[in-house]
Amino acid sequence: DAKTTQPNSMESNEEEPVHLPCNHSTISGTDYIHWYRQLPSQGPEYVIHGLTSNVNNRMASLAIAEDRKSSTLILHRATLRDAAVYYCILRDVRGGSQGNLIFGKGTKLSVKP
Amino acid sequence: EPEVTQTPSHQVTQMGQEVILRCVPISNHLYFYWYRQILGQKVEFLVSFYNNEISEKSEIFDDQFSVERPDGSNFTLKIRSTKLEDSAMYFCASSGDRDRILREAFFGQGTRLTVV
Repeated sequence: DAKTTQPNSMESNEEEPVHLPCNHSTISGTDYIHWYRQLPSQGPEYVIHGLTSNVNNRMASLAIAEDRKSSTLILHRATLRDAAVYYCILRDVRGGSQGNLIFGKGTKLSVKP
Repeated sequence: EPEVTQTPSHQVTQMGQEVILRCVPISNHLYFYWYRQILGQKVEFLVSFYNNEISEKSEIFDDQFSVERPDGSNFTLKIRSTKLEDSAMYFCASSGDRDRILREAFFGQGTRLTVV
């Protein structure tokens, strides 16, 4: 599986934007970039995913570099509830693969009031 | 909003005993997964299941583990003879049809297994 690299931790102030980086220099053409997060004592939760173009949804935005070797998850206004571990995951669903999610250590985001 | 439900939320068992962890995936989903997370560590993939058979499994998923979809709604993980190191949070997840698995997997809230 192609690997991702994320900072271990980041801090943000409440109501400010947060940019969570992810490097994936060995990404293949069929890898989708997925982001999940895990709030304390909960199961992982889908945030957003993309292939080549930037994506927006109600939770966040995903900015993907032109060469696809890196991406950034953007939380436009962090709230205390956004404090979680954020995982950047490459998901390949070629052929018969189910594209199992392989989690790394992620980035632990702390949000200060 | 549809959700994956897991029971029990917490199970304590003696070493060597068999345990069955239960999951009810989202009703129209076709792909099912089990993951585990040892306290303070990362989420680890165990097994994926599609069309009534195992699709992929990790090295962790040895002969002590098995999965079953007995009645078309439940998805179970059985550990035959539990060891202390099986103590972890176990998460079930499901994804929809082949187009939707590109989008998202839904995770349950987990079952905390404590082996004593």
